[in-house]
Amino acid sequence: SQQGEEDPQALSIQEGENATMNCSYKTSINNLQWYRQNSGRGLVHLILIRSNEREKHSGRLRVTLDTSKKSSSLLITASRAADTASYFCATDADSGAGSYQLTFGKGTKLSVIP
Amino acid sequence: ETGVTQTPRHLVMGMTNKKSLKCEQHLGHNAMYWYKQSAKKPLELMFVYNFKEQTENNSVPSRFSPECPNSSHLFLHLHTLQPEDSALYLCASSPLGSGTQETQYFGPGTRLLVL
Repeated sequence: SQQGEEDPQALSIQEGENATMNCSYKTSINNLQWYRQNSGRGLVHLILIRSNEREKHSGRLRVTLDTSKKSSSLLITASRAADTASYFCATDADSGAGSYQLTFGKGTKLSVIP
Repeated sequence: ETGVTQTPRHLVMGMTNKKSLKCEQHLGHNAMYWYKQSAKKPLELMFVYNFKEQTENNSVPSRFSPECPNSSHLFLHLHTLQPEDSALYLCASSPLGSGTQETQYFGPGTRLLVL
């Protein structure tokens, strides 16, 4: 079953504005990751936040994690046209035999209008 | 560039054809993955290889056959595919193996169209 689910499905903002995307998940996690995908390309890792962390920053990115609500948010500040992409959260799940799988949501499609 | 390359980038094949997708990672990683990304569906994990051994097969039809000859190369052999198999196929790798929760590095993908 799908573990992570992003909200909204699509977001359109003006350049310079902030963009906030949310992710909800169902079961307990060890960490949560955010990835970015430009159209028709592979995913690029943005940031990883561990279950014992509440907030993490990387450049213009800010990620929060609320394990009590099983949710995370990704904030991109001062957005640029180049930030236009799909953003995915991914949670880890123990698939048994000491192996972990990343489970991805359907993503949020962000459009930043110049 | 993430250090993971995939060829070909685009592939059109008929349902009776046999073709192979290739993935190569230049990162010295120990785990490699195949994912399928279809329109409006979450990314689906297909296969996992740890230290060249297959450790996961997520109920993938036998018309998809993976091969991992060494820790740097991963193939996906395709035969008698269906139109619904048309998708973006992504390869990924991770450093220590899938026994740890770690970042994955993705290739650019192969866009497959089955006619």
